[in-house]
Amino acid sequence: SQKIEQNSEALNIQEGKTATLTCNYTNYSPAYLQWYRQDPGRGPVFLLLIRENEKEKRKERLKVTFDTTLKQSLFHITASQPADSATYLCALDTGTASKLTFGTGTRLQVTL
Amino acid sequence: EAQVTQNPRYLITVTGKKLTVTCSQNMNHEYMSWYRQDPGLGLRQIYYSMNVEVTDKGDVPEGYKVSRKEKRNFPLILESPSPNQTSLYFCASSLDPYNEQFFGPGTRLTVL
Repeated sequence: SQKIEQNSEALNIQEGKTATLTCNYTNYSPAYLQWYRQDPGRGPVFLLLIRENEKEKRKERLKVTFDTTLKQSLFHITASQPADSATYLCALDTGTASKLTFGTGTRLQVTL
Repeated sequence: EAQVTQNPRYLITVTGKKLTVTCSQNMNHEYMSWYRQDPGLGLRQIYYSMNVEVTDKGDVPEGYKVSRKEKRNFPLILESPSPNQTSLYFCASSLDPYNEQFFGPGTRLTVL
């Protein structure tokens, strides 16, 4: 069956460290993969999009990698800050329908 | 300001009483969709629309209806709400299914 997996356990890291979140998928061949940030009770906010022919993409302190062989995307936040605490969702196109499918998200907690 | 608006933001209703949640976007986007978000299940797509008068089922369409008579509006209709439709609902819009999705602020629905 098709599946998108994100670590359901919260990731706790110290301020200033690099946070790395993982998105694994099976039985999909996405052309696009996106990452969103969601704060409690609010709508997701787009962060980055990476295409299948791109290995890595950066935006300020954010970096996304996309390995279509491993079927995995890694999302990095460098020099993390308490304001980065949120849930991070990955989303990808299913390849067969005009829609995105979202993972369940990983909650990041950055402490002082 | 580019935005997606939803109304109402909060709604408590009773089983069987028809309701409509409105969604409007001011970005001239062709693609709009509705999601529901439940703990542990993540964001699941209910319906989507590629353009005016073009709608299609997402992953969890049972018990819902939509319409797209104008480009900017995409209302979600619950003809006979049931308690299992208690959830947090998000409307989203974008240029196409695979690009950055702009989400509304969410509607928290409780069906008693």
